[in-house]
Amino acid sequence: SAVISQKPSRDICQRGTSLTIQCQVDSQVTMMFWYRQQPGQSLTLIATANQGSEATYESGFVIDKFPISRPNLTFSTLTVSNMSPEDSSIYLCSVAYRDSPRWNEQFFGPGTRLTVL
Amino acid sequence: QKEVEQNSGPLSVPEGAIASLNCTYSDRGSQSFFWYRQYSGKSPELIMSIYSNGDKEDGRFTAQLNKASQYVSLLIRDSQPSDSATYLCADETGFQKLVFGTGTRLLVSP
Repeated sequence: SAVISQKPSRDICQRGTSLTIQCQVDSQVTMMFWYRQQPGQSLTLIATANQGSEATYESGFVIDKFPISRPNLTFSTLTVSNMSPEDSSIYLCSVAYRDSPRWNEQFFGPGTRLTVL
Repeated sequence: QKEVEQNSGPLSVPEGAIASLNCTYSDRGSQSFFWYRQYSGKSPELIMSIYSNGDKEDGRFTAQLNKASQYVSLLIRDSQPSDSATYLCADETGFQKLVFGTGTRLLVSP
């Protein structure tokens, strides 16, 4: 499986600011996703990061709040904009390889723990 | 909207016992299911995937799928304290997107 890194690993931010989270994979992957895991909760998919085009957002998540970029097959960013304490969460990227025998298995990065004051 | 249900636990088992974790899903058309293990403060780690009715074994882990009853289970044989974690069941909704259950916390006591 791929080696996935995320930066930053954690951050404490002030209300009203924005934070950009980076996800880097050591090999080319077909699919990249962004999830949120709120304290004590399970994972919720925010969006699919599409290479070279706009991300596909899930219900309840909008581009103005969570802009996503994916300039190539190994890198994506998620920005949490105009943050409020309700955005305090762990943000995780995941990857999948469409062309592999285990094509629909997803592997997660280490996560970014965000606290908004 | 697809849903995946899990008992939050904790499920407590003694070391060496079999731990049985269960999950039900709402979409009768679902085809692909995944079990992830998540240690406290860590990201989810894929344990097993299962796509066909029946059992799939990998080491101490056995995944079971029953599409008629819409449930998926994970058996952990010879449970170890290091297996203590939260186990997440996931259903693929299409386009490789996953819907997760809330997870079952497993505690294995020495």
